[in-house]
Amino acid sequence: DQQVKQNSPSLSVQEGRISILNCDYTNSMFDYFLWYKKYPAEGPTFLISISSIKDKNEDGRFTVFLNKSAKHLSLHIVPSQPGDSAVYFCAASAQGGGYQKVTFGIGTKLQVIP
Amino acid sequence: EPEVTQTPSHQVTQMGQEVILRCVPISNHLYFYWYRQILGQKVEFLVSFYNNEISEKSEIFDDQFSVERPDGSNFTLKIRSTKLEDSAMYFCATVGTAYGYTFGSGTRLTVV
Repeated sequence: DQQVKQNSPSLSVQEGRISILNCDYTNSMFDYFLWYKKYPAEGPTFLISISSIKDKNEDGRFTVFLNKSAKHLSLHIVPSQPGDSAVYFCAASAQGGGYQKVTFGIGTKLQVIP
Repeated sequence: EPEVTQTPSHQVTQMGQEVILRCVPISNHLYFYWYRQILGQKVEFLVSFYNNEISEKSEIFDDQFSVERPDGSNFTLKIRSTKLEDSAMYFCATVGTAYGYTFGSGTRLTVV
């Protein structure tokens, strides 16, 4: 039961260009969405989040967009840097987020080419 | 120094043996979580633990699994009788800022 779907297993982008990672969800109870970045041999690192009452949240080079009607969110990284190369997980939680369990997507491997 | 330290980093065990995975958060946290990631698959929720009690668990977290906080700082995940399909990366997490988890670096469990 894939409640959080990341349909692109991998993405390659040139350094300096924009990286766009997409995520779809099916559970309409989800109201808090997060992106995590994971390097090999490390745990996921929290990157950015967005509540369902917003449609955009920006933090430096990272911006998350939420389209509730389409049950779709995306992470934009601009400009992309080689150090951004990692696996990116989309995640979601229900009932106000906070300390609720989080459901992860399968991840998208981003490669930023110098 | 990491906020959440997990030991061991890699554990190899024979099928049927018991394993204990340990997690030590630096700050005083009340909420703890265990997640796992089987190779090539998504990160899956196992259990959440609040105020020394399990608050939620997934269907994966069956009677073979248990969690406890034996001394108020360490947080452990025990698998009583390991199966081959328990082989995975196991991540401990606490709640960080903006409701994002802070994950440990994980324990790679290999059941042979």
